Amino acid sequence: DGGITQSPKYLFRKEGQNVTLSCEQNLNHDAMYWYRQDPGQGLRLIYYSHIVNDFQKGDIAEGYSVSREKKESFPLTVTSAQKNPTAFYLCASVGRGGVDSNQPQHFGDGTRLSIL
Amino acid sequence: AQKVTQAQTEISVVEKEDVTLDCVYETRDTTYYLFWYKQPPSGELVFLIRRNSFDEQNEISGRYSWNFQKSTSSFNFTITASQVVDSAVYFCALSEAPLIKAAGNKLTFGGGTRVLVKP
Repeated sequence: DGGITQSPKYLFRKEGQNVTLSCEQNLNHDAMYWYRQDPGQGLRLIYYSHIVNDFQKGDIAEGYSVSREKKESFPLTVTSAQKNPTAFYLCASVGRGGVDSNQPQHFGDGTRLSIL
Repeated sequence: AQKVTQAQTEISVVEKEDVTLDCVYETRDTTYYLFWYKQPPSGELVFLIRRNSFDEQNEISGRYSWNFQKSTSSFNFTITASQVVDSAVYFCALSEAPLIKAAGNKLTFGGGTRVLVKP
């Protein structure tokens, strides 16, 4: 079945450590997104990519980095510069819809990151 | 800048009651899209509906219905005859139409409304 796979489901980070969250999709979607969700709050955009080898900062990009070397993959690295990384991270993707490009985003199951 | 406000943080109802979730948005664009997503306890977001700014028709899908009123910048969501399986967090989101096709659709989310349906 086509979909978005995020791994791991749970991740723990030590002080000063970088960690990478995986996001893979087999939907042949061009655009991919990373969101952060804090308890009791909505989603905030971290980074997004509309095409391979290109990505843009979202609203809260500081302390994060991404790469888009393949269409299917959009990994997110939470660097040691991100002082408050504990959150639920969601990856999403969307395909081109022709004239109407605002198709709904498809979401993965998320990764819950905590600090040790 | 665009903004989405869901004033209700949590709603608790007894099964079979109707529940209405409010969503108010702000945008300077004349062309935009509104979405509702459901987030069950498992965490993933499930797409429910998309509406563009030129289509103010209300929509009904099973027990779900949506009331879009451009005059009040609201896009409210009603669950009729609620069931325990409806317990989840519901998000309203806004996307402005991209200037170019390849720009995709960045979403601005509201804070979400947690719905708890008791048996």
